[in-house]
Amino acid sequence: NAGVTQTPKFRILKIGQSMTLQCTQDMNHNYMYWYRQDPGMGLKLIYYSVGAGITDKGEVPNGYNVSRSTTEDFPLRLELAAPSQTSVYFCASRDRGDFGSYTFGSGTRLTVV
Amino acid sequence: SQKIEQNSEALNIQEGKTATLTCNYTNYSPAYLQWYRQDPGRGPVFLLLIRENEKEKRKERLKVTFDTTLKQSLFHITASQPADSATYLCAGDNAGNMLTFGGGTRLMVKP
Repeated sequence: NAGVTQTPKFRILKIGQSMTLQCTQDMNHNYMYWYRQDPGMGLKLIYYSVGAGITDKGEVPNGYNVSRSTTEDFPLRLELAAPSQTSVYFCASRDRGDFGSYTFGSGTRLTVV
Repeated sequence: SQKIEQNSEALNIQEGKTATLTCNYTNYSPAYLQWYRQDPGRGPVFLLLIRENEKEKRKERLKVTFDTTLKQSLFHITASQPADSATYLCAGDNAGNMLTFGGGTRLMVKP
């Protein structure tokens, strides 16, 4: 039972490069989320999806894009990486929108230099 | 804007004592609050959920309260152990299908 799997675990990008953070869940959850966590700070929502083919912006979407072609996968795309995107990124899923708890992945630590 | 606030200072307590962590919310009324535990280098793990019409919820050594008058939730760990040392996150539901998280409080339990 893998839960939520994120790859890669670590990545160093140069300014202006692009990359995709992968997120896969095997629990058949409809709701999926991308958060970023800066040191000593809370989790800030980047994008979320309530089902395949449906995505919406969260609190800090600028510089990111997402897609949801399947229930299982919710990749996060960084275009033109900037130092301000240095953070730890967490993907999460839940089976229902109301009252459901989140299952988080183990995170991707991204450094932009 | 809607905010969930937790004490950013670390809480240091002695093993066996009760740890109490505070979560305050402003500018909205969440239908429920959730508490998560986060260990270094790991993703948060769900612990408890309490609804606005529930005063208290318990799970083993954990207890959480929800005071809608004070706009506050308290999270208690009784008979604390060094293994309870972690960062604890409070989260409230937001408009739509997402949670708003507080910044977390780091708990250190000393033997």
